[in-house]
Amino acid sequence: DQQVKQNSPSLSVQEGRISILNCDYTNSMFDYFLWYKKYPAEGPTFLISISSIKDKNEDGRFTVFLNKSAKHLSLHIVPSQPGDSAVYFCAAKHYGGSQGNLIFGKGTKLSVKP
Amino acid sequence: AAGVIQSPRHLIKEKRETATLKCYPIPRHDTVYWYQQGPGQDPQFLISFYEKMQSDKGSIPDRFSAQQFSDYHSELNMSSLELGDSALYFCASSLRTGTGGTEAFFGQGTRLTVV
Repeated sequence: DQQVKQNSPSLSVQEGRISILNCDYTNSMFDYFLWYKKYPAEGPTFLISISSIKDKNEDGRFTVFLNKSAKHLSLHIVPSQPGDSAVYFCAAKHYGGSQGNLIFGKGTKLSVKP
Repeated sequence: AAGVIQSPRHLIKEKRETATLKCYPIPRHDTVYWYQQGPGQDPQFLISFYEKMQSDKGSIPDRFSAQQFSDYHSELNMSSLELGDSALYFCASSLRTGTGGTEAFFGQGTRLTVV
């Protein structure tokens, strides 16, 4: 049973526009959510995170929104750049779990076209 | 800055052979995690170690074992390899804090191919 779901396997966006990557989860015991970015042949790289007590966290062009009632979070990239093209993984941590014991979604491949 | 180092980067083994994957965490990080990512799959947590003791166990097969050494590097030992073990194996490290507000840093992975 997939506890973290990324229902869009791919997304194509024009350079300069907004990219919105979505993630849904089923476990209400998750207390921390993270987004990782992965280029081919490289390990996932941490991008941005949000605690379950917040509804928004912003870091430069990246903003993560959390809607706990809907068990939904989204990553906004504004403006999108060709270098943002990668696979984006949503991940979640159980309350009381260790920081690296993460449950990942299947990823969304973002393509930003010049 | 130093990152998580994994070796080897690529490994080809035959069925029923054994393999050992190594992970060198970021200096001063005390926790190591192992993940397995099969083709087209999301990363799956296998096992983690904190201060050389196993801390969490995920979907690690009984044929696999792991340990963390006194210098904090970790090794994942895989025996009786099966074709389905072919995957990308990631190691990650972190510094444990009480807040849960940090993140794990990943290595580049070891691609294991079982033939």
